[in-house]
Amino acid sequence: DAEITQSPRHKITETGRQVTLACHQTWNHNNMFWYRQDLGHGLRLIHYSYGVQDTNKGEVSDGYSVSRSNTEDLPLTLESAASSQTSVYFCASSDSATDTDTQYFGPGTRLTVL
Amino acid sequence: AQKITQTQPGMFVQEKEAVTLDCTYDTSDPSYGLFWYKQPSSGEMIFLIYQGSYDQQNATEGRYSLNFQKARKSANLVISASQLGDSAMYFCAMREYTGNQFYFGTGTSLTVIP
Repeated sequence: DAEITQSPRHKITETGRQVTLACHQTWNHNNMFWYRQDLGHGLRLIHYSYGVQDTNKGEVSDGYSVSRSNTEDLPLTLESAASSQTSVYFCASSDSATDTDTQYFGPGTRLTVL
Repeated sequence: AQKITQTQPGMFVQEKEAVTLDCTYDTSDPSYGLFWYKQPSSGEMIFLIYQGSYDQQNATEGRYSLNFQKARKSANLVISASQLGDSAMYFCAMREYTGNQFYFGTGTSLTVIP
């Protein structure tokens, strides 16, 4: 079955370290998204990609970067982790060829920055 | 201004009763879609229902229906015959197709009482 996976599911790191969160989808969706979820804020968009080699900044992109070298993967990198980046991170994908372009989400990664 | 507003941080409903979760939105994009997602305590984001801005009929998916009032810019989720498994966070979201933006509300926590 097609799916979207994230790894690791839990990560503890220290301030200043570089961290990469993986996202892999097997739906062959052209669109991929990264969100963070914090209490009181719902989900906020970090970065998104509408295809290979395409990346765009979302609402809260400072301190994060992404690259899209193939259809299946959109890794999220925290260049120098900060305590403010402690959050739950969700990856999502969608197919813009459909009428609705509905996003489907991965299981999430809980990141703690000490 | 908030693009998606969910004014009910918490709601309670008796098992087998119907419940309405409110969502209002703000957009000047003529082409948009409205989505509801469910997030149970396990953390995954589950797509429930979609309404397009040009759809004449309210969307329905099993026990879920979307009360779409375009002039009032509201897209309320109605859950009929509530079940204990409906206890979860519910998020309203909007996709602006012309502007290529996606927004989430802050969520409503629903508790179903036996």
